[in-house]
Amino acid sequence: AQSVTQLDSQVPVFEEAPVELRCNYSSSVSVYLFWYVQYPNQGLQLLLKYLSGSTLVKGINGFEAEFNKSQTSFHLRKPSVHISDTAEYFCAVSDQEYGNKLVFGAGTILRVKS
Amino acid sequence: AAGVIQSPRHLIKEKRETATLKCYPIPRHDTVYWYQQGPGQDPQFLISFYEKMQSDKGSIPDRFSAQQFSDYHSELNMSSLELGDSALYFCASSEAKPSYNEQFFGPGTRLTVL
Repeated sequence: AQSVTQLDSQVPVFEEAPVELRCNYSSSVSVYLFWYVQYPNQGLQLLLKYLSGSTLVKGINGFEAEFNKSQTSFHLRKPSVHISDTAEYFCAVSDQEYGNKLVFGAGTILRVKS
Repeated sequence: AAGVIQSPRHLIKEKRETATLKCYPIPRHDTVYWYQQGPGQDPQFLISFYEKMQSDKGSIPDRFSAQQFSDYHSELNMSSLELGDSALYFCASSEAKPSYNEQFFGPGTRLTVL
């Protein structure tokens, strides 16, 4: 079965500082990787996805992530965060072998301070 | 662009009552997924449907059942509700193609069991 580990439950950071949210997944022949953002009392919004090809993936709101197969990681980065980036971020993995369902990590709460 | 519609958005029930949650996928999407997100937890896959047939099943209690109708909308029926069923229930839809397709999430139905 697929699994995802988000190494930090909370990440506090000052506005305009860079941030990295870490994600590791269990290995499989082929995986699809995603980052979702959830603002308080709202649904899940896709930030970016890795299906194949270039290992550096750019998403919305200035976020990017790098797929590292040897380290089974898919860390999310942003060079300069804003107060509005305060939210919970979920890393998720999917595999056609397991029916395309998404398996989510426990989430990382990003708190941006002024 | 049309999004996934879920109704109702909020639902309050008593223990041992029943609840029905509805999901209307994006037009031309033939696959529907249901996820449950408990308070402070990550979303957990419940069940999915492709072309009106159950395609995958996760950690869905026997008290819950679901189906997908001819117009591709889906309903999640929950009986003998328990306090622990209080959660945010997400529906997601996608197109079924040989390669992975992105799941688009609805805003969720917040179920509170008293």
